[in-house]
Amino acid sequence: GAGVSQSPSNKVTEKGKDVELRCDPISGHTALYWYRQSLGQGLEFLIYFQGNSAPDKSGLPSDRFSAERTGGSVSTLTIQRTQQEDSAVYLCASSLVGRGAPYEQYFGPGTRLTVT
Amino acid sequence: TQLLEQSPQFLSIQEGENLTVYCNSSSVFSSLQWYRQEPGEGPVLLVTVVTGGEVKKLKRLTFQFGDARKDSSLHITAAQPGDTGLYLCYNSGGSNYKLTFGKGTLLTVNP
Repeated sequence: GAGVSQSPSNKVTEKGKDVELRCDPISGHTALYWYRQSLGQGLEFLIYFQGNSAPDKSGLPSDRFSAERTGGSVSTLTIQRTQQEDSAVYLCASSLVGRGAPYEQYFGPGTRLTVT
Repeated sequence: TQLLEQSPQFLSIQEGENLTVYCNSSSVFSSLQWYRQEPGEGPVLLVTVVTGGEVKKLKRLTFQFGDARKDSSLHITAAQPGDTGLYLCYNSGGSNYKLTFGKGTLLTVNP
């Protein structure tokens, strides 16, 4: 079956512009995560959605970052007024359930964001 | 606060060598997962360990969960270039998502 997809795969934007990154999770997965990964580094947690519960936004680095998940499926991560330090790969993952259960996270290929 | 520390941060070896990488925590894991991320792709789950002292094998990879469930190791026998990637441990039983992934070990296996 289809895995997690993300679009665009690459995005180059000018400093100060807004960007939207999209994630299509695996159908039926109730949990969705966004992570950021700088070159050669580990994963930095950004935000977590679980079903209809309020999202866990504790990892968002500033109020320029926001995310939504419509209809419990597709998610969009929005970065406003982009800065050069926002340049990274943004990874989305989904799983059957989230908090406290050892379920597998299925990752998308990521969106590489470059802010010039 | 449970922090995951992985070591070494970088490892470069020749094909055919053996290696071990580690994941340690100051607190007990209820469960732990290892993921591998190949260049340009998202991480992929290798194994989940739940029971203290548990050993799991996946071909040439051997995963061990410490008796006290505060540490884990991944041993690769006769490494191959295809093993190259970033190895990440993940606190799959954690509730603080900011602290659940380690920073990873970047392994390069040279032919």
